[in-house]
Amino acid sequence: EVQLVESGGGLVKPGGSLRLSCAASGFTFSRYSLNWVRQTPGKGLEWVSYISSSSSSIYYADSVKGRFTISRDNAKNSLYLQMNSLRAEDTAVYYCARPNYYDSSGTDYWGQGTLVTVSS
Amino acid sequence: DIQMTQSPSSLSASVGDRVTITCRASQGISTYLAWFQQKPGKAPKSLIYAASSLQSGVPSKFSGSGSGTDFTLTISSLQPEDFATYYCQQYNSYPYTFGQGTKLEIK
Repeated sequence: EVQLVESGGGLVKPGGSLRLSCAASGFTFSRYSLNWVRQTPGKGLEWVSYISSSSSSIYYADSVKGRFTISRDNAKNSLYLQMNSLRAEDTAVYYCARPNYYDSSGTDYWGQGTLVTVSS
Repeated sequence: DIQMTQSPSSLSASVGDRVTITCRASQGISTYLAWFQQKPGKAPKSLIYAASSLQSGVPSKFSGSGSGTDFTLTISSLQPEDFATYYCQQYNSYPYTFGQGTKLEIK
């Protein structure tokens, strides 16, 4: 069974940093691209970042470019999102998501999410 | 960025009804369109991918159609567990973008 489990969320002050993790199991992690998607009450669902299976391709939403860094450790079956210079508008539930197939695109499998709150 | 516009934003229906939700892309996305169901406090759950392909384990009461810019999600014979919020998403190109959601409520 495919499982994605996010962790690392919490309360952080504006300007602060946080590192999210996504632990994967039930599939060959190193073969799949992965995404981070966030959800806020005000703006709904927003794609945040993408990383290819080998980390050779990485994309970011304009709203986080230059502040967030996506990475992965295929030996540890883990995905990360380093978030710096956090702003109130980054407050959201953050999900990691995987496509159905290793050679496809999309976000078919999602974790349960981790809540990030940016507030003083 | 590709804009995704869903309609309606909310919908009231009765158990047993058949409902249709539409999604329009601001430019052609072929069939790179997914539909998700979300219940309060839960992660979105994928129902349909590639515009009309049913995810494994999803009941056949859910169906999707369309290509290019216009897409529909149809839910037949509504049951209490189907009342939720539904989102479309394009994954033709980055940044992936989502519709604003359709809240399906019990009449």
